[in-house]
Amino acid sequence: DQQVKQNSPSLSVQEGRISILNCDYTNSMFDYFLWYKKYPAEGPTFLISISSIKDKNEDGRFTVFLNKSAKHLSLHIVPSQPGDSAVYFCAASANGNQFYFGTGTSLTVIP
Amino acid sequence: KAGVTQTPRYLIKTRGQQVTLSCSPISGHRSVSWYQQTPGQGLQFLFEYFSETQRNKGNFPGRFSGRQFSNSRSEMNVSTLELGDSALYLCASSSRDRGNYGYTFGSGTRLTVV
Repeated sequence: DQQVKQNSPSLSVQEGRISILNCDYTNSMFDYFLWYKKYPAEGPTFLISISSIKDKNEDGRFTVFLNKSAKHLSLHIVPSQPGDSAVYFCAASANGNQFYFGTGTSLTVIP
Repeated sequence: KAGVTQTPRYLIKTRGQQVTLSCSPISGHRSVSWYQQTPGQGLQFLFEYFSETQRNKGNFPGRFSGRQFSNSRSEMNVSTLELGDSALYLCASSSRDRGNYGYTFGSGTRLTVV
């Protein structure tokens, strides 16, 4: 049972435009959310997080939005750069216990 | 600060064999979690160890086991390997400080079962 879902396996965006990656979850107890980026042959690297007390968190070109009523979060990358091409995973946790990961979205930024 | 180190990077085993994977966390991190990554399944949680105790466990058969040593290094063992166990196994460490739940992942061990 996939508690965290990323329904878009892939996304292509022109360089300089906005990339929007989406993530849905089913467990209303989740209160902490993370985004990770993964390049081939490397482990995932932490990108940005958000707790359920916020609805937005920003870090440079990366912004995560949380809509608790819809159980939906999204990652916005503006402007997108070719180096952003990677697989992005969202993850959710309740009280910092085990993290449930989505299946990932492969982002390709076209120069 | 050294990152999370996983050894070996690549492994080929035969069905029915057993395998042990190793993970050295970031110095000072007491929590080590293991994940299995397969195409289309994302990262599936295996288990978490904290101060040598298994704290959480995912939905994997008993063939998958782990342990953590007093220096926080962790090992994962898979017995009676099956073809479906072929995957990237990722280890992640965390300080588990209050309010800090972020993981740092290693580069993983790519296991191929033939």
